[in-house]
Amino acid sequence: GENVEQHPSTLSVQEGDSAVIKCTYSDSASNYFPWYKQELGKGPQLIIDIRSNVGEKKDQRIAVTLNKTAKHFSLHITETQPEDSAVYFCAALLNFNKFYFGSGTKLNVKP
Amino acid sequence: GAVVSQHPSRVICKSGTSVKIECRSLDFQATTMFWYRQFPKKSLMLMATSNEGSKATYEQGVEKDKFLINHASLTLSTLTVTSAHPEDSSFYICSAASGSRTEAFFGQGTRLTVV
Repeated sequence: GENVEQHPSTLSVQEGDSAVIKCTYSDSASNYFPWYKQELGKGPQLIIDIRSNVGEKKDQRIAVTLNKTAKHFSLHITETQPEDSAVYFCAALLNFNKFYFGSGTKLNVKP
Repeated sequence: GAVVSQHPSRVICKSGTSVKIECRSLDFQATTMFWYRQFPKKSLMLMATSNEGSKATYEQGVEKDKFLINHASLTLSTLTVTSAHPEDSSFYICSAASGSRTEAFFGQGTRLTVV
C-alpha cells in the first residue's frame, strides 16, 4: 500500500507571511495528489490538486509542487490571512480511487 | 467543486440503537463513495469503499456487520451504525468520486454521540 507522511504537524505564522507544508509518499504508482482544508466541525474541502505529469500548479495564493523523483509534494500559501487557519491534509491516490491521507497540519495564522 | 451533502450533521443516540447516515452527491454521479472515521485531532481513517450496485469493500479491522454500507444508486450511499456503543462516538465523513474524474469531494461530516 501507500504511506503518506506530512510535516509539520503544527505551523504558526504571522499574517502576511508564507506557509509551506510538505508531504512524502512511498509508492511511485500514485498519480494524483490533492490538498484539503478542514475547518473545525466540517468535512475536508478540496483546495488544490496536482497530477503526476505536472511539476507545479498555482491558484491565486495557493500553489502545489511535485517532485516525482523524490516522491514528495508541497503546499505553499503566500500572503497568509487569519481565515487560512485550519487543518490541512495532503493525500495520494493509488490504484483507482483509493486515497491515502497524511496526518494533517494545523495552521495558525496570527493577526 | 462538486457538492456532496451528508445528513444528519449531528446525531445523539442511545446505546444499542442503530443510526443511519446519508451521503448524497448533488450534481454528479458518484460511482464510488468512501466512508471515513475521524477521531479528534487525527487524520481520516478509511472504513470502507463502496461502488454503486456492489458490496462495499471494508478496510482491515472494520466490522462489516456493525457498519452497514449501502450504495444503491449513483447519488446516494448510506452508513448504518448498528447496535451503537459509546466507543462508536466519532466524526464520520463520506466522500464521493466519479469514475470519469480523479477528484473526491467530501460531505460536511456527521458527529455521532452515543450515550
